[in-house]
Amino acid sequence: EAQVTQNPRYLITVTGKKLTVTCSQNMNHEYMSWYRQDPGLGLRQIYYSMNVEVTDKGDVPEGYKVSRKEKRNFPLILESPSPNQTSLYFCASSPMTSGNTGELFFGEGSRLTVL
Amino acid sequence: GENVEQHPSTLSVQEGDSAVIKCTYSDSASNYFPWYKQELGKRPQLIIDIRSNVGEKKDQRIAVTLNKTAKHFSLHITETQPEDSAVYFCAARNSGAGSYQLTFGKGTKLSVIP
Repeated sequence: EAQVTQNPRYLITVTGKKLTVTCSQNMNHEYMSWYRQDPGLGLRQIYYSMNVEVTDKGDVPEGYKVSRKEKRNFPLILESPSPNQTSLYFCASSPMTSGNTGELFFGEGSRLTVL
Repeated sequence: GENVEQHPSTLSVQEGDSAVIKCTYSDSASNYFPWYKQELGKRPQLIIDIRSNVGEKKDQRIAVTLNKTAKHFSLHITETQPEDSAVYFCAARNSGAGSYQLTFGKGTKLSVIP
């Protein structure tokens, strides 16, 4: 089954404790991206990647890191989480082949609470 | 960069009535406009999209219209049903620049009252 898988789905942590949210897709998509969703603010892009070893900042990258060592994986790293990073996080992937619409396929989301 | 404004932020309609959600965009080079639906507790999913060479597109009870001159596009849902209750996001992208960056609106929470 074609899917984007995120882990963990739910996490409560404390300020300053490093954490990683994993994202994996099995559709061989070149493009992957992380979004955070907050009430009233919609979906805001954190980082994106157009291929292996190619990553770039989105609109709200502060406090986050990413890596793309393999095509299928795109982990989101919070080196020193703070309460303002409490949010619902979505990973998404998209094919970049010619003729594709570039539809985003989202993971199920990871709800993170930083105390 | 692109800026997408979406209105209204909340919308309540009676079952069977129509619902309209409007978005405006700032980058005249944007040429791809998708709409995503997010049911409560679930992930956003694409429901319909339109490219800038088309003025209108329909899929059963859902239609999207695009006015390039005014830089706005709208989602129309007819004969609304309770299962249409969700948050809807519009988005815009300039595919011609080789970009896959989607800029989303802030969302509209649609409630269909039985």
